[in-house]
Amino acid sequence: QVQLVESGGGLVKPGGSLRLSCSASGFTFSDYYMSWIRQAPGKGLEWVSYISSRGSTLFYADSVKGRFTISRDNAKNSLYLQMNSLRAEDTAVYYCARYSSGWYFDYWGQGTLVTVSS
Amino acid sequence: EIVMTQSPATLSVSPGERATLSCRASQSVSSNLAWYQQKPGQAPRLLIYGASTRATGIPARFSGGGSGTEFTLTISSLQSEDFAVYYCQQYNNWPPFTFGPGTKVDIK
Repeated sequence: QVQLVESGGGLVKPGGSLRLSCSASGFTFSDYYMSWIRQAPGKGLEWVSYISSRGSTLFYADSVKGRFTISRDNAKNSLYLQMNSLRAEDTAVYYCARYSSGWYFDYWGQGTLVTVSS
Repeated sequence: EIVMTQSPATLSVSPGERATLSCRASQSVSSNLAWYQQKPGQAPRLLIYGASTRATGIPARFSGGGSGTEFTLTISSLQSEDFAVYYCQQYNNWPPFTFGPGTKVDIK
């Protein structure tokens, strides 16, 4: 069955960096586009970043552009999010999600919490 | 950027009753709209895509409708497991992919 498992969250100081990982299994990872989506405590969902199946096309939300970098390693069935220059407003649960054949998300990981605080 | 709005913010419904949730887009998204359900402490789950197609394993009591800028999610007879937050998402014009702020369905 399809599984997405995020890791790498934690407590980081403002201005710091963190790298999130998402390990995929149960499907041919290299065939699918992927995204990171976040949810601040008690708030709604915010799309963060997109990567095409081969990693050649990337998109970012304006709120993270220039600070976050999405990448993937299809040989390792893994998705990554490098987060630099973190701010308090980046505090959220970060989900990795798979795009279906359309541009909606058919599978989500359980999320990893990132807390940016001094 | 397409802005999504949802109403009401909270809907109080008794078990067995019908619930109708609304989602509106700031410009036409055709039928490129999805609905998700999220329970506390869990990841969102896909319910509906293409505005009206149920995802795999979703019970028939969930139905979606609308096109263009106005959409609805109807739960025909609320079960205890349906009390949750529901989000709509447009995927017609992207990036960015945008979500509505959510509607919380709670027990009356």
